[in-house]
Formats: sequence, structure tokens, C-alpha cells
Amino acid sequence: DTGVSQNPRHKITKRGQNVTFRCDPISEHNRLYWYRQTLGQGPEFLTYFQNEAQLEKSRLLSDRFSAERPKGSFSTLEIQRTEQGDSAMYLCASSLVEGGAKNIQYFGAGTRLSVL
Amino acid sequence: RKEVEQDPGPFNVPEGATVAFNCTYSNSASQSFFWYRQDCRKEPKLLMSVYSSGNEDGRFTAQLNRASQYISLLIRDSKLSDSATYLCVASRGGSNYKLTFGKGTLLTVNP
Repeated sequence: DTGVSQNPRHKITKRGQNVTFRCDPISEHNRLYWYRQTLGQGPEFLTYFQNEAQLEKSRLLSDRFSAERPKGSFSTLEIQRTEQGDSAMYLCASSLVEGGAKNIQYFGAGTRLSVL
Repeated sequence: RKEVEQDPGPFNVPEGATVAFNCTYSNSASQSFFWYRQDCRKEPKLLMSVYSSGNEDGRFTAQLNRASQYISLLIRDSKLSDSATYLCVASRGGSNYKLTFGKGTLLTVNP
């Protein structure tokens, strides 16, 4: 499977715990994005990387959230001191942006986080 | 006001019906537009990009009106397998490629 891969698929944690999610993008893609989706809503942008550089962070991304893409390949999203409001599906997407290439983002299956 | 607004739905239609989804966007700097499809508890998947000239892909037709900041998706001869949530998406493109999604419209096609 050469699509976007996310792990774990499901995570249940207790409030106050830290959690980390991993995303492996499509191999030749240079951009990687994180979104969050709650029930009944469309995905909301959190942050994105061009190679290893984090280029934009949404105001939704509080200080408890940190994302990295250290070698420009896989990325991790960490949430510290989780709150019940963090319960959501966390989606990763990747795209190839090169010259005039269209920005088609391909999504992974997501990590569903439940904070008890 | 949400940056991308869609018909709230849900839509329930019989097989073979034609169904239209409407969407408006508020950010005039938006350059690229898409329709994504999302099946229940699955990831969004690109259905089609939307161009100013309008574009068609089989039973699906997308239209963009930049003056009105309006996007539409028409599905003809709907199939049971078309049942999903349809997400209208805008992007400012250029150096800023984040996608802004609408809330989505749920379509159920009934036998």
C-alpha cells in the first residue's frame, strides 16, 4: 500500500495523559498536513510542513500540541495533557507541490482519539 | 460566518435521481476548489477538482462561479454507492495550500 499511513488507528487515553500519533506520507510527497475532524463537521486545518519546515500553524493548535517532521518524511503529532475536547479524528494528508502541479491532497485513514 | 458553507442536508433520494449540492465561500482569495467524498468513518477522498469553465466526470458535474463565490456539484443517475458525505473545499493556493472544508452534506441514495 503506497498511500498515506497513520498509526495508531484508535487511541483511548485518560484526561491529562500525553499521546503521540504518527503519519507516513506518500513517499515522493513534499508537503504534509494535519487536520482534525469532530463529529458532524468537516476537517479543520491544524498545521503543515514543506519537507521538514513547519510553515503554518492554525490558531486551533494550542501550546499543548506539537508537530514535527524531522527528516522531511514521516511526521508526529503530540498532544500533551489531553482534554476531553481533544477527542476527534486526527487526519494526515500529503501532496506533491512542484512547479505548476495541482495541490491534490491525499488523506490517511486517520487516528481516532478518545479522551476519557 | 464559516469560510465555506454548504447545504446542510441530509439528502435522501431514490436511485436514478439527480441531486445538486451547493456551496459558497467567503474568502475571495481562494483559488482552488474541490469536492471530496467521505464515507462513514473513513478518510475524505478527492472526487473532483472544480474549474471556472466547469468540468464533468461521468455522472458528476462541478461548476464554479467566481463572481458569486459559488460552487456546485451535480450527480446524475444516482447510485446506491453514491451514498456518502460530500465536502466542499476551498484553498487559497499559491504559497498557502491549506484546505478549508465545509461541514459536508450527507447523501443517502435509496433503492
